[in-house]
Amino acid sequence: QKEVEQDPGPLSVPEGAIVSLNCTYSNSAFQYFMWYRQYSRKGPELLMYTYSSGNKEDGRFTAQVDKSSKYISLFIRDSQPSDSATYLCAMRTDSWGKLQFGAGTQVVVTP
Amino acid sequence: GAVVSQHPSWVICKSGTSVKIECRSLDFQATTMFWYRQFPKQSLMLMATSNEGSKATYEQGVEKDKFLINHASLTLSTLTVTSAHPEDSSFYICSASPQGRGSYNEQFFGPGTRLTVL
Repeated sequence: QKEVEQDPGPLSVPEGAIVSLNCTYSNSAFQYFMWYRQYSRKGPELLMYTYSSGNKEDGRFTAQVDKSSKYISLFIRDSQPSDSATYLCAMRTDSWGKLQFGAGTQVVVTP
Repeated sequence: GAVVSQHPSWVICKSGTSVKIECRSLDFQATTMFWYRQFPKQSLMLMATSNEGSKATYEQGVEKDKFLINHASLTLSTLTVTSAHPEDSSFYICSASPQGRGSYNEQFFGPGTRLTVL
């Protein structure tokens, strides 16, 4: 069993819809949770970072962490075609620990 | 700020040759640099962690004699794939963590290098 599970998609949504992404994990020691966006043939770019449980909002992006369920989510409101990319969740046990990535979910926002 | 570059962006080589990939932090000093490999539609897998001036730490299953890492300065790390074979074809991505920057050790990723071994 992988430490971090993420549905690879693709997830296709119409422009303006809410994109809902999630990951589950098995290691209860994870404390830091990140979401990265990766465009084709590019390196990942950090979108959101959350420590421990709770919600965090940044513009159109909302990240949620439920440590009791070992489940994290990313919501993208008012999705745009430019949001079409692969979204990777990542997590680590401490601020200097190794990042453990999910497989990434490919998102396609259609005009 | 916090830009990481990689060179080359893509490379094609013959089986048995060696290939060097450079990773540079352009506007910050990086205490630690990381090398990842990503196969199509798969996640990033950490290969090794390198700290400036010391030997790299390799993940389990990664051959240190095949993937040579040199972190000679606070802005440059190199990955050399020695005696490359077709199964080494992959997307190699580096990341760098700034020196003494806040309590959270963010990694900034390079754009990646696509290696194709014929």
